[in-house]
Amino acid sequence: AQSVAQPEDQVNVAEGNPLTVKCTYSVSGNPYLFWYVQYPNRGLQFLLKYITGDNLVKGSYGFEAEFNKSQTSFHLKKPSALVSDSALYFCAVRDSGNTPLVFGKGTRLSVIA
Amino acid sequence: EAGVAQSPRYKIIEKRQSVAFWCNPISGHATLYWYQQILGQGPKLLIQFQNNGVVDDSQLPKDRFSAERLKGVDSTLKIQPAKLEDSAVYLCASSFGGAQNTEAFFGQGTRLTVV
Repeated sequence: AQSVAQPEDQVNVAEGNPLTVKCTYSVSGNPYLFWYVQYPNRGLQFLLKYITGDNLVKGSYGFEAEFNKSQTSFHLKKPSALVSDSALYFCAVRDSGNTPLVFGKGTRLSVIA
Repeated sequence: EAGVAQSPRYKIIEKRQSVAFWCNPISGHATLYWYQQILGQGPKLLIQFQNNGVVDDSQLPKDRFSAERLKGVDSTLKIQPAKLEDSAVYLCASSFGGAQNTEAFFGQGTRLTVV
């Protein structure tokens, strides 16, 4: 069965600094990987996905993620953090079979001015 | 483009009572999902519909939870009777197709508190 690990419950970063939110995954076949963001009292918003091709995926709001097959990782990155990026971030994975999307437990990002 | 609509936003009920949540997906989206998000955890899939047929309900507690998607558009999730551990946010999502590489779009959720 597929699984996702987000090893950090909380990430703190100063505004203007680069940020990284970590995600590792486990699937039996080829992975389809997603990042979502959740603001308070809001639903999840899609940021980006990796299906195939270029290992560096660019998404909404200046976010990008790097797929690393050998390390089974899909870390979310942004070159310069904004205070408005403060939110809860979820990594999710499914394989190419008929399996549901599995989410990590989430990482709370706090960007400090 | 209108997003996924859910109602109510909040609901408080006593244990052993019943409750129902409603979801209207994005127009044209054939696939509809219900997720349960317990505080401090990631969302967990309860049921997935493709049009009005069930694709996956393996994690739905069928002794108390039920869901339907009549006419392949909006959907209702019901809990009867509710337990304290059902306190969570119930998220509805939809996607254009059922392909594994398709992202889902989420509603704002219904926060259920069982007392």
